[in-house]
Amino acid sequence: QVQLVQSGTEVKKPGASVKVSCKASGYIFTGYHMHWVRQAPGQGLEWMGWINPKSGDTKFVEKFQGRVSMSSDTSITTAYLELSSLISDDTAVYFCAKFDSGNVPLAYWGQGTLVAVSS
Amino acid sequence: QSALTQPASVSGSPGQSITISCTGTSRDVGSYNLVSWYQQYPGKAPKLMIYGVNKRPSGVSNRFSGSKSGNTASLTISGLQAEDEADYYCCSHAGSDTYVFGTGTKVTVL
Repeated sequence: QVQLVQSGTEVKKPGASVKVSCKASGYIFTGYHMHWVRQAPGQGLEWMGWINPKSGDTKFVEKFQGRVSMSSDTSITTAYLELSSLISDDTAVYFCAKFDSGNVPLAYWGQGTLVAVSS
Repeated sequence: QSALTQPASVSGSPGQSITISCTGTSRDVGSYNLVSWYQQYPGKAPKLMIYGVNKRPSGVSNRFSGSKSGNTASLTISGLQAEDEADYYCCSHAGSDTYVFGTGTKVTVL
């Protein structure tokens, strides 16, 4: 069965960087884009972008340009999200998610990773 | 890329039907039949309930249905049950392989 298992809680100071991992299993890792979605405390879902693990191509929302990096390691079927120059507004739960076959959107989700930014 | 607009809250009594709207623009909801809906309980990951405007994934109750007219999509929950109390988010393809979520709606079962 498809599983997306994310890394644990991170506490960072403003200006620092954070790297969140998403370990995938149960499907062909290079066959599906990995999407990243975040949710600030008490707020809604925000789509951030995706990475194509096969080609390394990425696409993300313009607001994150210059601060976000998405990567993957196909040898260990793991996707990564790195966010730099953290500010308090980046405090959120970060989810990885993937489509299902047949172009079914975001059918599988990781459990979420809390990133807390505080001085 | 602005979030799609949803009502902050919708409520209904058990057995009733409720409808949640999701208003976008001609650049997202209005242009693609690629609207999906997600249910989220506090502290949990979202769960896909509807995709492609009106398709249900395997295992999702047929009490959930979706539709779209112009720039507005809708999710209807019929025969409301206590377990339906949760947050609901719409999501639409927004061109160039990007996506945008709605602002979210809290459903309360009275």
